[in-house]
Amino acid sequence: EVQLVESGGGLVQPGGSLRLSCVASGFTFSSHAMSWVRQAPGKGLEWVSSISGSGASTYYADSVKGRFTISRDNSKNTLYLQMNSLRAEDTAVFYCAKVHLPSTWSGSFDYWGQGTLVTVSS
Amino acid sequence: EIVMTQSPATLSVSPGERATLSCRASQSVSSNLAWYQQKPGQAPRLLIYGASTRATDIPARFSGSGSGTEFTLIISSLQSEDFAVYYCQQYDTWPRTFGQGTKVEIK
Repeated sequence: EVQLVESGGGLVQPGGSLRLSCVASGFTFSSHAMSWVRQAPGKGLEWVSSISGSGASTYYADSVKGRFTISRDNSKNTLYLQMNSLRAEDTAVFYCAKVHLPSTWSGSFDYWGQGTLVTVSS
Repeated sequence: EIVMTQSPATLSVSPGERATLSCRASQSVSSNLAWYQQKPGQAPRLLIYGASTRATDIPARFSGSGSGTEFTLIISSLQSEDFAVYYCQQYDTWPRTFGQGTKVEIK
């Protein structure tokens, strides 16, 4: 059974930093690209970032480029999102998601974690 | 950036009736289109990928169609558990983009 478990969310002041983690199980982690998707309170889904299975390639939404860094440790089956220079508008539930097909970027998100809430406020 | 536009924003349907949801892309995404269902307090769930292929364990009452810029999700006979928000998403180009969602509510 595929499982994705996020952690690391919490309350942080504007300008602060936070690192999210997502531990994966039930599939060959290193074979699949992974992504972060966020959802502000009462709003829709926003793609944040994606990383290839090897970790060599990454993509970012313009809204987070230069502030957020996605990474992965395939030996630990763990995905990360380092978030710096946080703003009030970054307040959201952050989900990690698995790309459906192995060895490709082009896929839907077939499994999602339960999400971790990040609140940016003074 | 490809803009995904869903209509209607809210759809009021009686149980047992058919629901038709639309999604339009600002430029062609081929068949690289997915539909997700999200219930309050839950993570999204993949329903359809490749515009028309049902994901694992998704009931046959859910069907997707379309290609290029126009897509449709049909729920043939709404069950109580189907009342939720539905999102389309393109994975053809970067950045990946979602529609704003269609809320399917009980009439």
